[in-house]
Amino acid sequence: EAQVTQNPRYLITVTGKKLTVTCSQNMNHEYMSWYRQDPGLGLRQIYYSMNVEVTDKGDVPEGYKVSRKEKRNFPLILESPSPNQTSLYFCASNPRTGGELFFGEGSRLTVL
Amino acid sequence: SQQGEEDPQALSIQEGENATMNCSYKTSINNLQWYRQNSGRGLVHLILIRSNEREKHSGRLRVTLDTSKKSSSLLITASRAADTASYFCATDERRAGNMLTFGGGTRLMVKP
Repeated sequence: EAQVTQNPRYLITVTGKKLTVTCSQNMNHEYMSWYRQDPGLGLRQIYYSMNVEVTDKGDVPEGYKVSRKEKRNFPLILESPSPNQTSLYFCASNPRTGGELFFGEGSRLTVL
Repeated sequence: SQQGEEDPQALSIQEGENATMNCSYKTSINNLQWYRQNSGRGLVHLILIRSNEREKHSGRLRVTLDTSKKSSSLLITASRAADTASYFCATDERRAGNMLTFGGGTRLMVKP
């Protein structure tokens, strides 16, 4: 089954404790991206990747890092989480730029 | 930044009625997409309409695009309780990279 898998789905952590949200896709898509969803602000892109070792900032990259060492994986790293990073995070992949996105089920992160 | 802005923000109708949601955007686009999100779940792609198309159908969905007004509408005919969800438009903004920008969404409730 074609899918995008994110883990963990739910996480409560404390300020400053590094965490990684993993994302994996099995569709051999070149493009992957991370979004955060906040009430009243819709979905905002954090980072995207056009291929292995090629990443670029989205609209809200501050406080986040990403890496793309393998085509299928695109982890999101919060080196020092802060409460304003409490949000619902989505990973997505697509086979071409501007095309249909395939989303994961989301990771709900709470930073205390 | 939010490219697409949906209107209305919330819509409540009875089963069997039609639901119309509108999306406005600011800059030139290559295509516009509509997505659906059940509460707290990942977004699911519904339909993509290219800038040179004016109307597109998919089952009970009808999407129109007016590039002169920079607006699109999504019509769901003969709505069902299962159509209850949030609906988002997304545009590619004709800029480099994998930048798909989402609006704030319309929350649709279909009452049985």
